Amino acid sequence: AQKITQTQPGMFVQEKEAVTLDCTYDTSDPSYGLFWYKQPSSGEMIFLIYQGSYDQQNATEGRYSLNFQKARKSANLVISASQLGDSAMYFCAIEEDSSASKIIFGSGTRLSIRP
Amino acid sequence: NAGVTQTPKFQVLKTGQSMTLQCAQDMNHNSMYWYRQDPGMGLRLIYYSASEGTTDKGEVPNGYNVSRLNKREFSLRLESAAPSQTSVYFCASSDTRGGFMNTEAFFGQGTRLTVV
Repeated sequence: AQKITQTQPGMFVQEKEAVTLDCTYDTSDPSYGLFWYKQPSSGEMIFLIYQGSYDQQNATEGRYSLNFQKARKSANLVISASQLGDSAMYFCAIEEDSSASKIIFGSGTRLSIRP
Repeated sequence: NAGVTQTPKFQVLKTGQSMTLQCAQDMNHNSMYWYRQDPGMGLRLIYYSASEGTTDKGEVPNGYNVSRLNKREFSLRLESAAPSQTSVYFCASSDTRGGFMNTEAFFGQGTRLTVV
């Protein structure tokens, strides 16, 4: 089974709208961490946000927030008030405590912001 | 702030040639990684090293070898390059957040490798 599943290969969103990028994961570990990265067309990998499995609150970083639903094993990224510069690939990733240091990525979602 | 430095940035190889991709980090991180990214795809883990002196296979290790030379450096070797290894290769490093779990990974700029 895939460790990380991102079911939206591509999305188009109007500028200034909020957007949710889906991520589901598969683990039996009680302890794990979830990451979101952005990859613009220039190719670099930019860390956005982190959620630990034991964190009581959903993570937030500026316009980015994580809708963490542990029972459903989902960790969706929410971008509020989207901007043209948000157009990029977005990757969800997981690290499980049982295989510490092994960070596995999903296949990504290409987000395009329309002006 | 150098962060994670990969060399070379671009490389063209002929089928059967060998080469080593170099990676160095200056953040004193324990963990280092090699990923490959095929066009329009996600990152797939080739090998990783949780600490100096240890290396482990990732999702797609076949055709590659690695060396954790010291805490700073983690190299990836292609012994006999194949066209299927045409990809962008990323090195990354991360550190523990007080236990076994890691902080976010910091990535190098990538090496674009073409095997003809």
